[in-house]
Amino acid sequence: QSALTQPASVSGSPGQSITISCSGSSSDIGPYDDVSWYQQHPDKAPQLLIYDVTHRPAGISGRFSASKSGSTASLTISGLRAEDEARYYCNSYTTRAIWMFGGGTEVTVL
Amino acid sequence: QLVQSGAEVKKAGDSLRISCKASGYPFDTYWIGWVRQMPGEGLEWMGIIYPGDSETRYGPSFEGHVTISADKSDTTAYLQWSSLRSSDTAMYYCVSKGSAGWDYWGQGILVTVSS
Repeated sequence: QSALTQPASVSGSPGQSITISCSGSSSDIGPYDDVSWYQQHPDKAPQLLIYDVTHRPAGISGRFSASKSGSTASLTISGLRAEDEARYYCNSYTTRAIWMFGGGTEVTVL
Repeated sequence: QLVQSGAEVKKAGDSLRISCKASGYPFDTYWIGWVRQMPGEGLEWMGIIYPGDSETRYGPSFEGHVTISADKSDTTAYLQWSSLRSSDTAMYYCVSKGSAGWDYWGQGILVTVSS
C-alpha cells in the first residue's frame, strides 16, 4: 500500500494563497471523512492543522483550510507568511483499518 | 501530554524498547500510534494500539519486526524491537487520537543503530 500522493514542493510569495493536493483512492480518502493535515518544521514534531477533512483544532489559524472531493483532499494556505515554510503531510484512514500518510510537500515562501 | 524516553544508540542485532508516557487524558479510551521518520524522509505509520483492550494494528511494512504494547496501570505505550537493523535508524514519534484527530504528539526519540 503506497503513500498518498502529494506534490514534492509548492511555493508562493508572501500574501498569496497556495493549495496542496493529496491524491488517494477508493481504499483510503474516497470512502472516509477521516482526513487530516500536519505541519512539520525542521527538527520539530508534526503539528495537527486540520482533522475530519475540514475542521481546525483550537489555536490553528483560519488561514489554513481544507476540503475533499472524491479521493482527493486539498489544503489551502491563505495569506502566505514566512513562518508557513515547512513540510506538510496529509493523512487518511484506510480500508485496512489503519491510517496512511502522504509523502509530504515542502512549502517554500519566496 | 506525551513524554517519550531519551535518545538511544544501539548496535545491529540489539534489542530495544522505547516508551511514551501519557498524562492529562483518559489513557484507556484514546488510540496511541507510533510513527517513524527516517533521516530526511516522510512520516510512516508503524502501528496503533487501543490501551482499553490492547487491540493492536500494524502497518504493512512493520508487522513482524516490531511489537507495540501499552501498560494501563502506568499510562505508558511501548515500541520494541527484538533485533535492530541499521535501517531502523530514525526518529520515532508517539501520537494519540482524541476527538480532534491525531492531535497530541510526543517530542520524538532518535534511535541510532550502527552496523
